[in-house]
Amino acid sequence: GQQLNQSPQSMFIQEGEDVSMNCTSSSIFNTWLWYKQDPGEGPVLLIALYKAGELTSNGRLTAQFGITRKDSFLNISASIPSDVGIYFCAGQKGTDKLIFGTGTRLQVFP
Amino acid sequence: KAGVTQTPRYLIKTRGQQVTLSCSPISGHRSVSWYQQTPGQGLQFLFEYFSETQRNKGNFPGRFSGRQFSNSRSEMNVSTLELGDSALYLCASTSGGATDTQYFGPGTRLTVL
Repeated sequence: GQQLNQSPQSMFIQEGEDVSMNCTSSSIFNTWLWYKQDPGEGPVLLIALYKAGELTSNGRLTAQFGITRKDSFLNISASIPSDVGIYFCAGQKGTDKLIFGTGTRLQVFP
Repeated sequence: KAGVTQTPRYLIKTRGQQVTLSCSPISGHRSVSWYQQTPGQGLQFLFEYFSETQRNKGNFPGRFSGRQFSNSRSEMNVSTLELGDSALYLCASTSGGATDTQYFGPGTRLTVL
């Protein structure tokens, strides 16, 4: 099935460091979403973006909707141990199905 | 407001059997989507139901089917289970509008032996 290109695939960082991950697509989307998934649980919505160029923050998280509508990035500042998990981007056009990225596995060491 | 609930949380079946998974959306949400998540393929869309009608469908074989009831609860059925059907099955709900974001349930972990 179709997936978005998400990078990096995994990250191992020290507590307190900033994190950046991005997602690219060959298709244009109207909506970009970022989710976090803990082991054995469903993805939890972190940030939703609806407009090209939009920059939205949620606490230590900041995400941007690329102006080409084909990419998005997520930044996490001052990482803490509970940031550990898998982060997924997802793109959507209208009411079409969500297309998910391949995921970025984040590991934070104290 | 209660979140999306899925039952059962864990299930073990053998090849050839069939299985039914259940999803109750957030109250007021009319759209339910189902996804299959495996380590190799990631999150793959199965189908979406809105107001009891299938609105979107992914590229899965006919062994995978679903339905939605008038109270928006949805069920997913997999017949003639194969080993490769072992996965985390997630459902997500929205109110159904174009800009509505999807909220996921905790998933049902299906293991096929």
